[in-house]
Amino acid sequence: DVKVTQSSRYLVKRTGEKVFLECVQDMDHENMFWYRQDPGLGLRLIYFSYDVKMKEKGDIPEGYSVSREKKERFSLILESASTNQTSMYLCATVDSRNTEAFFGQGTRLTVV
Amino acid sequence: DQQVKQNSPSLSVQEGRISILNCDYTNSMFDYFLWYKKYPAEGPTFLISISSIKDKNEDGRFTVFLNKSAKHLSLHIVPSQPGDSAVYFCAASAIGFGFNKFYFGSGTKLNVKP
Repeated sequence: DVKVTQSSRYLVKRTGEKVFLECVQDMDHENMFWYRQDPGLGLRLIYFSYDVKMKEKGDIPEGYSVSREKKERFSLILESASTNQTSMYLCATVDSRNTEAFFGQGTRLTVV
Repeated sequence: DQQVKQNSPSLSVQEGRISILNCDYTNSMFDYFLWYKKYPAEGPTFLISISSIKDKNEDGRFTVFLNKSAKHLSLHIVPSQPGDSAVYFCAASAIGFGFNKFYFGSGTKLNVKP
């Protein structure tokens, strides 16, 4: 079974803090994604990566950056957290046939 | 503009009856569609998928129907069970045109009443 692990289930951070959300997958998949889920808006793509050191902006990249130094790890960085970044963050990896996305358990981030 | 739309934010169904969740898309390049189920405080889990070469795919109690001319797909759950209560997301991608990502709808919250 594919395992996608996010480092934290719940996080509370202060406005202006730099926040790191970590995601690790164990299936050697090349494609990795960061989404945020908000009520009524569904899953919105923040950033994605096709390979090590490669990244592409998704639909809502503002206020975020990413890092992919190793194939199995994809990090989402909130440069200066703001209250409108309070959300559920979901990491996903996609299989080599591009037919299924596997999600981590999610990180509920609250910015106060 | 959202390319995948789920216009019903919620649906309530009695246990044992059929649940029908709907999804519309706008991009005619989409050729692969998926449904995901999500419980609170958990990541979405894959439920069922369909390729555009088919108009129906069935897996146990779950059936997905695809109407390409209408750019519409639906998920049928028969019979519905209380454990099916969750948020359901439909997703689409364009594998044949060079996959780059999945596009998700806004979700429908299904409540199955005992």
